[in-house]
Amino acid sequence: QVQLVQSGAEVKKPGASVKVSCKASGYTLTNYYIHWVRQAPGQGLEWMGIINPSPGSTTYAQKFQGRVTMTRDTPTSTVYMELSSLISEDTAVYYCARAPRPRSAYLDYWGQGTLVTVSS
Amino acid sequence: SYVLTQPPSVSVAPGQTARITCGGNNIGSKSVHWYQQKPGQAPVLVVYDDSDRPSGIPERVSGSNSGNTATLTISRAEAGDEADYSCQVWDSSRDHYVFGTGTKVTVL
Repeated sequence: QVQLVQSGAEVKKPGASVKVSCKASGYTLTNYYIHWVRQAPGQGLEWMGIINPSPGSTTYAQKFQGRVTMTRDTPTSTVYMELSSLISEDTAVYYCARAPRPRSAYLDYWGQGTLVTVSS
Repeated sequence: SYVLTQPPSVSVAPGQTARITCGGNNIGSKSVHWYQQKPGQAPVLVVYDDSDRPSGIPERVSGSNSGNTATLTISRAEAGDEADYSCQVWDSSRDHYVFGTGTKVTVL
């Protein structure tokens, strides 16, 4: 069965970086796209960007450009999202999710989420 | 940027019908997807491409989309339908994805 398993919770200080992993199983990583979505406490879902694991190409939300990097390691079927220059407002649960097509896509499987807490 | 507006909350009696709206400029020209999220859990896709249901989603959950409003309808509401529901579209002008503000459904 399709699974996306994310790395564990992180606590970071302001100004630091965090790297969250998302390991895919039950399907071929390069046949689908991976999105990253975050949710601050008590808030709605916020789209961060997308990676096409086959060539490794990315599109980032304008809000995060310059601060976010999405990469993949195809031999291990793992995708990574790194967010730098963290501020307290980056405290959120970060999700990876799979999409079956590049545009106008829906997210059919989601990881369990990774809580990132930014605190001094 | 493209904005999707949802009512913050919707209440429904058990067995009745809940309708959750998602407003956006000419949203009828876009494919709308809906997610259900229960406390402490990841979102789950419940409707895609306006009105299609993934396997395992009951037929009493349906979607429609026309003009400036997309609607998720939950018929014969049950206690298990209590959750937050969010709509989502692709903003082709910016190649960005957008989520609605989310609606909390309460089954009274």
